[in-house]
Amino acid sequence: DTEVTQTPKHLVMGMTNKKSLKCEQHMGHRAMYWYKQKAKKPPELMFVYSYEKLSINESVPSRFSPECPNSSLLNLHLHALQPEDSALYLCASSQDFHGEQFFGPGTRLTVL
Amino acid sequence: GQQVMQIPQYQHVQEGEDFTTYCNSSTTLSNIQWYKQRPGGHPVFLIQLVKSGEVKKQKRLTFQFGEAKKNSSLHITATQTTDVGTYFCAGPGANAGKSTFGDGTTLTVKP
Repeated sequence: DTEVTQTPKHLVMGMTNKKSLKCEQHMGHRAMYWYKQKAKKPPELMFVYSYEKLSINESVPSRFSPECPNSSLLNLHLHALQPEDSALYLCASSQDFHGEQFFGPGTRLTVL
Repeated sequence: GQQVMQIPQYQHVQEGEDFTTYCNSSTTLSNIQWYKQRPGGHPVFLIQLVKSGEVKKQKRLTFQFGEAKKNSSLHITATQTTDVGTYFCAGPGANAGKSTFGDGTTLTVKP
């Protein structure tokens, strides 16, 4: 299985809602990533987990809260988001920290 | 912090023409990775270069890593409509823990 899956594919939420994005991989990768991508821009790194521990937080606002329950799963908890947080949220995984990254299809998030 | 720049930002070619995108880092890279993102899709890994001066080929695609490990290029020979998309380079700095993505080059191919 060389696939990274993400759910949901689309999400519309209000600024007072709480929601979660989910990501799963079964390739035995030890590094997992959350990226935010705006239209016509490159992926922007948010968080990196290595061996299930948060190793990089790119000064992301606390309204985004990552969680890595086990080596195959990665969640991103969302609370009190702003309309400017609307974007494509991509999850990726890699065998090790600097290795090739496998991206999931992303969650298209709209904040109203 | 580390900056990775790509040129050109956009490239429009006639099918059959060649295409090249260039990637330049402000710092020495441990390795360089190239990704392709089709419109409406997600980035897909193409290749990783690690050694100074390394050249790798994948069918019509040729990837180069500069001698100083601060620049890289992707060349496509005889483009096809299936080559349409945005090509990103990404690489971790020699002393940095994370990879930085370039701004990407968006290729359109006119049949």
